[in-house]
Amino acid sequence: SQQGEEDPQALSIQEGENATMNCSYKTSINNLQWYRQNSGRGLVHLILIRSNEREKHSGRLRVTLDTSKKSSSLLITASRAADTASYFCATEIKAAGNKLTFGGGTRVLVKP
Amino acid sequence: NAGVMQNPRHLVRRRGQEARLRCSPMKGHSHVYWYRQLPEEGLKFMVYLQKENIIDESGMPKERFSAEFPKEGPSILRIQQVVRGDSAAYFCASSPTVLETQYFGPGTRLLVL
Repeated sequence: SQQGEEDPQALSIQEGENATMNCSYKTSINNLQWYRQNSGRGLVHLILIRSNEREKHSGRLRVTLDTSKKSSSLLITASRAADTASYFCATEIKAAGNKLTFGGGTRVLVKP
Repeated sequence: NAGVMQNPRHLVRRRGQEARLRCSPMKGHSHVYWYRQLPEEGLKFMVYLQKENIIDESGMPKERFSAEFPKEGPSILRIQQVVRGDSAAYFCASSPTVLETQYFGPGTRLLVL
């Protein structure tokens, strides 16, 4: 799999439910960032978690990072129809300078 | 503080023409990154620039593509002699320094006929 690979590729839930998506990567990272992209639009930054951090919260979002397993998860609690979007994780790799490596994204559909 | 600005938002070119994409970073940001996104895919890194310097162009095709970030003015991604395969969304991001959040612009959607 590629660096920054999201799982699942697609997720369909009812409004009010929680949505969890995972991201796996291969090499040591400086940080991992989660972004949201609505169809045909730009990317909105959600959370940056550094390699020495394990968990971060922002509103209804919770991100965890397990560097021993080289994985991260994004949890959206009490989802809303407006959360419908594609979610991408992006890793900033120690050996690769400052560029971000993106996965293919998780497409989340929240049904009202 | 305005966000990252990109223009044009949409660009249509015929094969063989030149495409010029502009990116103005957020105020105070001196690091600019360009990414390309094909439909239904994630973003792929192209080039990383600081003022007047290309730091990393490992993701940019060797031919027809060039990028600059002059001392004054926006960063420019230039694609010469465009082909249909260049059709994609091109996103610019900026950050104030390294290892910090990269903020993305709205993108330029290039369509090559």
